[in-house]
Amino acid sequence: AQKITQTQPGMFVQEKEAVTLDCTYDTSDPSYGLFWYKQPSSGEMIFLIYQGSYDQQNATEGRYSLNFQKARKSANLVISASQLGDSAMYFCAMEDAGNNRKLIWGLGTSLAVNP
Amino acid sequence: KAGVTQTPRYLIKTRGQQVTLSCSPISGHRSVSWYQQTPGQGLQFLFEYFSETQRNKGNFPGRFSGRQFSNSRSEMNVSTLELGDSALYLCASSLAGQNSPLHFGNGTRLTVT
Repeated sequence: AQKITQTQPGMFVQEKEAVTLDCTYDTSDPSYGLFWYKQPSSGEMIFLIYQGSYDQQNATEGRYSLNFQKARKSANLVISASQLGDSAMYFCAMEDAGNNRKLIWGLGTSLAVNP
Repeated sequence: KAGVTQTPRYLIKTRGQQVTLSCSPISGHRSVSWYQQTPGQGLQFLFEYFSETQRNKGNFPGRFSGRQFSNSRSEMNVSTLELGDSALYLCASSLAGQNSPLHFGNGTRLTVT
């Protein structure tokens, strides 16, 4: 069965420093997509970045980059130059059987950015 | 472009009642998905609608149902509410193509007493 594991319930980082949020996944599908979302206290889930299993390069979106290691089945999110507004829950998710509208989610990592 | 709009933001219901939640997708998005988020189970997929047809369904009892209208707006209904139905219900819309990310609304927080 497909599964997403986020092993860090909570993380702290100093403002302007970089932070890595871990995500490992398990799937037998040869083709899959991985997503990262941010959920502030307001509740809205905000899309950050996407990585396809066949993408040749690691995805980047502004201050967000994805450290994709296919052989290790890991897709860690790297946030560079952390800002106070980055404090939120971060979720890693994976397509269920190639369906990008049916996602399997990790339990999330709570990130706190300290001034 | 307006984002995904969910109404109401908060609901308090009593066990045994039923509830209807509404979702208006981003203009041009024809796919609407619903998720339940609880502290214990995290996010779980409820169902997805596309062009007024349910395309996928998660592992929830039949008390959870939904529908989509011709303007892509969607509603989900929960009948015979149980305490365990207390959760944040998130609606997401997306374009039809592969790799299109889900765009979520702010959610409806349902409390069942």
